[in-house]
Order: sequence, then C-alpha cells, then structure tokens
Amino acid sequence: DQQVKQNSPSLSVQEGRISILNCDYTNSMFDYFLWYKKYPAEGPTFLISISSIKDKNEDGRFTVFLNKSAKHLSLHIVPSQPGDSAVYFCAASPRRGYGGSQGNLIFGKGTKLSVKP
Amino acid sequence: GAGVSQSPRYKVAKRGQDVALRCDPISGHVSLFWYQQALGQGPEFLTYFQNEAQLDKSGLPSDRFFAERPEGSVSTLKIQRTQQEDSAVYLCASSSGAGGYTFGSGTRLTVV
Repeated sequence: DQQVKQNSPSLSVQEGRISILNCDYTNSMFDYFLWYKKYPAEGPTFLISISSIKDKNEDGRFTVFLNKSAKHLSLHIVPSQPGDSAVYFCAASPRRGYGGSQGNLIFGKGTKLSVKP
Repeated sequence: GAGVSQSPRYKVAKRGQDVALRCDPISGHVSLFWYQQALGQGPEFLTYFQNEAQLDKSGLPSDRFFAERPEGSVSTLKIQRTQQEDSAVYLCASSSGAGGYTFGSGTRLTVV
C-alpha cells in the first residue's frame, strides 16, 4: 500500500497562473516532507521541504503547505513558467537520523506539470 | 566534480548476466543512497551508506542485489543474474547532512 500518494498524474497550467500540486500520506510518523523536480533523463532535483512542526514554507515562487490533521501537503508555484514543466515528486521521511540527513525517503509516483506559454 | 556522477548512463544486459553500476558522490558527502525507479513510479529506497558503513539495506529486493562503498566515497551497486523485473533507472544520491539530497542522473538498466 502506497504511503505517499500523488493522485494526479498530470496537470496543465497556463503561464503566469498558479500551479497547485497535491500529495497525501498515510503514515503519521512522517516528520519531514520534500518536493523534488525531475526533468527527462536527469535525476530528481531538490526543490523545497517542510518540517512537521510547520504548516508553511516559502522559497521564492514556491510555497509548500502542510496540513497534518488531513495528512496532506501541497506545492504552490506562482507564477508558473514554461521552465517549470517537469515531473514533481512528493517525498516523506519517517525520521530524522543518519547523522542529520533525512534518512531514506518514500516517494509518490509523481505529477507531470505542463506550463503552456 | 560538482555533482553526483553515475556510470554507465545506459546498460543493456541479457537475462542472467551480472551488472555493476557505479556512483561517484559529491566529494566529502558522508551519506550515500541508492534508489530504484521503475517506469511510471517514484524512486524506491534500496540501501544507505554512512561513509563506508552500510547502515540500511532493507530496500534491496533480493539477495541478487549487493552494494558496497569500501573507502567511503565511490559506491557500486551489483546485480547478479539479472531478470527482466530489474529493468529500471537506478539513482544514486549523496548528502552532507541537513538539506535535500543531490541525485545523479541515474543508470537506465534494460534487461532483455
């Protein structure tokens, strides 16, 4: 059973508008959440993260919201740009460990974002 | 180099063949992870090293999979007697500690 779910396999947005990517998780022991962006033939690139003690983290055009009671997080991209077109993975870490690193991450299946000019 | 380097980028193996995949992490990064990404799926954890110590290998799918990092830098993932279900992209990531991992571009393994 998937512990991290991204129920939308794809999303299409007009340039300049907001992109909202959603992620649900089932394990209440997760305490750290991350978003990765992946272009074809490249490895995932870290985008933004949030600790379970927060409900919002913002970095430029990217904001991640965490709703612990609903076990839901979302990534907002405002304004969306064509260069944002990629697959976005939500990931969760069950613990902080391994000398401060996040430990092994559990990934969702990804959402393919297309931003149209 | 500046990033995580993986080789080869592509590997085609005949079923039953042994393969070795290499990962050069960012210099000085203590933590090294291997992930397997099947088509249409997210990456799935295979194993973790802290320096040369393999602290977690719970994600290795069978005893045909073996990973090592003998000197705490370069790591090799070996798959013995490859099977078709082993076809996937194998991703290596390294980390200095806090913050997100840096992933390599991966090795795409196709078993025919």
